[in-house]
Amino acid sequence: DAGVTQSPTHLIKTRGQQVTLRCSPKSGHDTVSWYQQALGQGPQFIFQYYEEEERQRGNFPDRFSGHQFPNYSSELNVNALLLGDSALYLCASSFLSTANYGYTFGSGTRLTVV
Amino acid sequence: SQQGEEDPQALSIQEGENATMNCSYKTSINNLQWYRQNSGRGLVHLILIRSNEREKHSGRLRVTLDTSKKSSSLLITASRAADTASYFCATAPSNSGYALNFGKGTSLLVTP
Repeated sequence: DAGVTQSPTHLIKTRGQQVTLRCSPKSGHDTVSWYQQALGQGPQFIFQYYEEEERQRGNFPDRFSGHQFPNYSSELNVNALLLGDSALYLCASSFLSTANYGYTFGSGTRLTVV
Repeated sequence: SQQGEEDPQALSIQEGENATMNCSYKTSINNLQWYRQNSGRGLVHLILIRSNEREKHSGRLRVTLDTSKKSSSLLITASRAADTASYFCATAPSNSGYALNFGKGTSLLVTP
């Protein structure tokens, strides 16, 4: 049973560039959430997608955008990268758009902005 | 901003000992969840306790929740070297159905 799959695992980008991260949810899950985890910190909620729409958004600027496809997979896009965007980006999937059950997390994409 | 705060920030014990981690939070919640993270990789869901529950067990894990004090504790009994990881509590706020708010985590080191 495949869990949450994220790609790529590591990425190095230059300030000002744009990046796209990808996530395939666990089989049977229809909701995808994205989190940013800076070094030494806990994950911070970016946004959640359900039925191809953004259901909730955390305190992140518009440079962060996303998309969910009909097969429930999702992309996270970050424009005009800043050094402070360097972090581990985690995708989490769940069934139905609710936090009332545990989430299944992927292994993350480590983004380094230089 | 972080919603929860784990205590202690770091904990070092020997195999066979029990490890206790605490979590405090600020707003009313639907549930509280504990996750484990190995070496900065993905988080693994350990246990979920709902706001109307006071204690829950899963294998060597015991979680308590005190909503009046807005606090929770995670007890790992008979720790093993493989338990070495960072542990995070995450709250699902009552006024927000989707997002989890994580603390900064407790780093647990279990030595043989």
